[in-house]
Amino acid sequence: GAVVSQHPSWVICKSGTSVKIECRSLDFQATTMFWYRQFPKQSLMLMATSNEGSKATYEQGVEKDKFLINHASLTLSTLTVTSAHPEDSSFYICSTDLGVGDIQYFGAGTRLSVL
Amino acid sequence: TQLLEQSPQFLSIQEGENLTVYCNSSSVFSSLQWYRQEPGEGPVLLVTVVTGGEVKKLKRLTFQFGDARKDSSLHITAAQPGDTGLYLCAGVGEKLTFGTGTRLTIIP
Repeated sequence: GAVVSQHPSWVICKSGTSVKIECRSLDFQATTMFWYRQFPKQSLMLMATSNEGSKATYEQGVEKDKFLINHASLTLSTLTVTSAHPEDSSFYICSTDLGVGDIQYFGAGTRLSVL
Repeated sequence: TQLLEQSPQFLSIQEGENLTVYCNSSSVFSSLQWYRQEPGEGPVLLVTVVTGGEVKKLKRLTFQFGDARKDSSLHITAAQPGDTGLYLCAGVGEKLTFGTGTRLTIIP
């Protein structure tokens, strides 16, 4: 069964609005979650590492004020795309490693389309 | 910056044929993983290779880790339409670094 649940699977929004994506760990506690971005026909690029109870660690070039990450509980991390623009349209995927390191379990992804 | 280059980028072959996908890096990784991703879904882990020179088989898929732990290959024998997807290698280090991806299409 699924280890990570991501919601919504698809969202369409108007330019300038904010969109929140949720990533939940099912039946386990995830102190760390990862957020990736994937453009069409391209690979996954790590955006940030979400740490429960502390600030997220952002990769170089990722605007932390643009992509707000909150990991307030051990089962939920959220990514909010603020003031979304068409260039933010992408496939966003979260994952966690269950705290055991190498193996990451991915959510089904969220396709964001900004009009 | 650690980069993982995959080749080919795109591959379209007939059902029943064999194929090999390559994953190359200038960096050494403690281990390397292969994932398959279908449209609209997250990647699913296929295998992790850890030891230099290691070969792992998963039914018709054979994975090899280079002796220097910088490169890897995925060989599929007798490809089937169900093998269609995006194949991603990923180097395991402080964080997971994904390769550039190979989009495979198997034509029935």
